Amino acid sequence: SQQGEEDPQALSIQEGENATMNCSYKTSINNLQWYRQNSGRGLVHLILIRSNEREKHSGRLRVTLDTSKKSSSLLITASRAADTASYFCATDASSGGSNYKLTFGKGTLLTVNP
Amino acid sequence: NAGVTQTPKFRVLKTGQSMTLLCAQDMNHEYMYWYRQDPGMGLRLIHYSVGEGTTAKGEVPDGYNVSRLKKQNFLLGLESAAPSQTSVYFCASSYSKGVSNQPQHFGDGTRLSIL
Repeated sequence: SQQGEEDPQALSIQEGENATMNCSYKTSINNLQWYRQNSGRGLVHLILIRSNEREKHSGRLRVTLDTSKKSSSLLITASRAADTASYFCATDASSGGSNYKLTFGKGTLLTVNP
Repeated sequence: NAGVTQTPKFRVLKTGQSMTLLCAQDMNHEYMYWYRQDPGMGLRLIHYSVGEGTTAKGEVPDGYNVSRLKKQNFLLGLESAAPSQTSVYFCASSYSKGVSNQPQHFGDGTRLSIL
């Protein structure tokens, strides 16, 4: 079963604009992670936010987490053509001994047009 | 460091044939994972391992077997390939640290077609 679900499924923007992707999940978590996948490549870890954190920054990335709404958002500021990729959120379960497994959403395909 | 290396990168099989996908990591990670990625389905966990000599079933284990004889290697086997196993297979690894998940490091995948 999918724990995380990204929204929208696809997003197309112009270079320089900001891109916002959302992730919703169902059960309590220890942390939530965001990954990027370029076409034909493996996933690359972007950022991890723990359940007791509300916001985290890394370069042009800003991630927020609202555990009361079971949702997270990934903001990419001043987007570049090189940001074109699929973005996935991944969650673990905070109970049941699943701290070493992640469940991935279906991803958001971001296209940044030059 | 090479990170996570998967071999082969591409393979075409006939229904009923068998094959083994190899994953090797050079980061001394304890945990290793095999996923399959299908259009519209995201990544689904097939099997995983929390250490040398241990394996466990994930979300979609049927039709696959795994072995972790050495810490750095995680093998995924298809004993009798079926067209439904046509997919892109990803291996990942992570290190253990306390009780919370750590980032996973992925290989670039094996694209497998079953005719």
